[in-house]
Order: sequence, then structure tokens, then C-alpha cells
Amino acid sequence: NAGVMQNPRHLVRRRGQEARLRCSPMKGHSHVYWYRQLPEEGLKFMVYLQKENIIDESGMPKERFSAEFPKEGPSILRIQQVVRGDSAAYFCASSVWTDTQYFGPGTRLTVL
Amino acid sequence: SQQGEEDPQALSIQEGENATMNCSYKTSINNLQWYRQNSGRGLVHLILIRSNEREKHSGRLRVTLDTSKKSSSLLITASRAADTASYFCATASLIQGAQKLVFGQGTRLTINP
Repeated sequence: NAGVMQNPRHLVRRRGQEARLRCSPMKGHSHVYWYRQLPEEGLKFMVYLQKENIIDESGMPKERFSAEFPKEGPSILRIQQVVRGDSAAYFCASSVWTDTQYFGPGTRLTVL
Repeated sequence: SQQGEEDPQALSIQEGENATMNCSYKTSINNLQWYRQNSGRGLVHLILIRSNEREKHSGRLRVTLDTSKKSSSLLITASRAADTASYFCATASLIQGAQKLVFGQGTRLTINP
């Protein structure tokens, strides 16, 4: 059973471009969470999704950021018109209901 | 200040010694979890302790939870060089049927051979 998959592992974008991060949850997991980690800091919750539904997006900036978890395919975190402050590691986690969250390896976004 | 604050921020000990890390939080929780993160890598789940539990063991790990003081501790016994990593506590509360984790800043543990 493969773990949580994230791609790409590293992403470099210039200011103003779009960044698209993908997360494939563990098999059988229908709950997906996205977190952001700035250097030397802990993870900050961004958004929680179930299939085709955003349940809690209280940690996600209102502008430029969006997330989806379609019926088929991976969950996508999209950042439009990236700025230098978006540079961070973005982690996805998945779970079965209220069980333990299993984390992916993360995508490290660098904005030039 | 934020939920889930670890103490100390950094800890350096000799191999074979015990390492203790503490975590304090502010609001009521469903459970508290400890994770390890090696430099530049993802998080590895170590142990989960529920709000009605006081102590839990897993191998060389021992976790305690004091809900009256809103604090938890992680003890790693007989430390090894491979234990060098950052350790995070995360408090979990139930939001619409799922766990919302709030992480602390972490403790950077260095085990010197």
C-alpha cells in the first residue's frame, strides 16, 4: 500500500506564475488535508477536503489560493500569481475519518 | 502565542541519554499526537494519546498527557544518532467529523555520537 504521494517534490516558479501541487492520498482514504511549513517553523493548517467537497478552508488565504479534491484523480492545491512569501514546503496528509493523518513527502516551492 | 508550543526549542544530548520534550496547549483537545521530521523530509507519525489517557508507550517512546495542565511530554529513552530530527506535537480537535491538527514550532533534537 503506497503512502501519500505528492508531486512535484520541488517546484520553482517566478513571481506572477501559477503553482499547482498534487496530492494522491493513501488507498482507501477519503479525507485530505493541506499544510504549509515555513522554514524553521511548524506546519500550519490550510484546508481540509473530502471527495468533491471543501470542508474547512479557514487556514487558506482568501486570495490566490484554491484547493480541490475531485471525484477522480488527486487533490490539487493551486496558487495563482505567486509571490516570494509563498515559498515554503507544502504538505498533504490523508486519513480515514478521524484516524491518524499520514503525511506525504511534501512539495518545496521556491518563488524567484 | 499558538496552540501546541514545544519546549525546549533545541536539545543536544549524548547518545545513550534520555531526551525529554514538552508541549503545552491552550484549548480543549480530542487527542494529542507527536511527529518526527528529518531535515527536508516529511512528517512521520510517532504516537497518539487520547484526551482520556494519561500515559502511552511505544518502543523507546513514552508520552504523557496532563489535561488539567494542558501539557504533554515525549520521552525518548536510550537515544541513538538516528533519533536526530525535529519533533512536533500536534493537538487534534474534531471539526465536522475530522481531525484538525494544530502544530507547535517543534524541538530540534541532536544526538551526539
